[in-house]
Amino acid sequence: GAVVSQHPSRVICKSGTSVKIECRSLDFQATTMFWYRQFPKQSLMLMATSNEGSKATYEQGVEKDKFLINHASLTLSTLTVTSAHPEDSSFYICSARWGPGNTIYFGEGSWLTVV
Amino acid sequence: GEDVEQSLFLSVREGDSSVINCTYTDSSSTYLYWYKQEPGAGLQLLTYIFSNMDMKQDQRLTVLLNKKDKHLSLRIADTQTGDSAIYFCAERDTDKLIFGTGTRLQVFP
Repeated sequence: GAVVSQHPSRVICKSGTSVKIECRSLDFQATTMFWYRQFPKQSLMLMATSNEGSKATYEQGVEKDKFLINHASLTLSTLTVTSAHPEDSSFYICSARWGPGNTIYFGEGSWLTVV
Repeated sequence: GEDVEQSLFLSVREGDSSVINCTYTDSSSTYLYWYKQEPGAGLQLLTYIFSNMDMKQDQRLTVLLNKKDKHLSLRIADTQTGDSAIYFCAERDTDKLIFGTGTRLQVFP
């Protein structure tokens, strides 16, 4: 079964509005979660590292004021896309480390379409 | 920086074996992963290999790791149409993953 859950799985929003995507670790605590973005027919690129109780660490080229990350609890990280534009339309997916093998598990992903 | 490369396409006949190749650059990677992504879906972890291993087998899947050449491969035995998907290899840098470009596997009857 899933160990990392994302919500919503699909969302459509109007240009200029903000949208929040949640990533939850199920039955385990994740002090660190990761947010990736995947453009159509492309690979996944790390956007930021979400740290519980502190500021997220963003990868080069990712606008931290546009992609707000909050990791307020040990089981929840949120990604808010602010003032969304059509070019923000993408597949956003989070991950967390879990298990005796420290395996990285991914959420189901969230499809964002900005119209 | 780290770089992970894969060939973009692979086409195989149903029942044959598929071999998907991947090269990486970071010799300090602890784990290497293979993920499967079906159209419109998220990532499914297929298997992973620890860097001190050179082979891992899991049912129809065989992972081979050549650390000297920084080469990773995924062999799928008896490939089925349901195996058609994009396959990503990824190397692990602490807890973040560096993904390859993905290989689109097409299985034809």
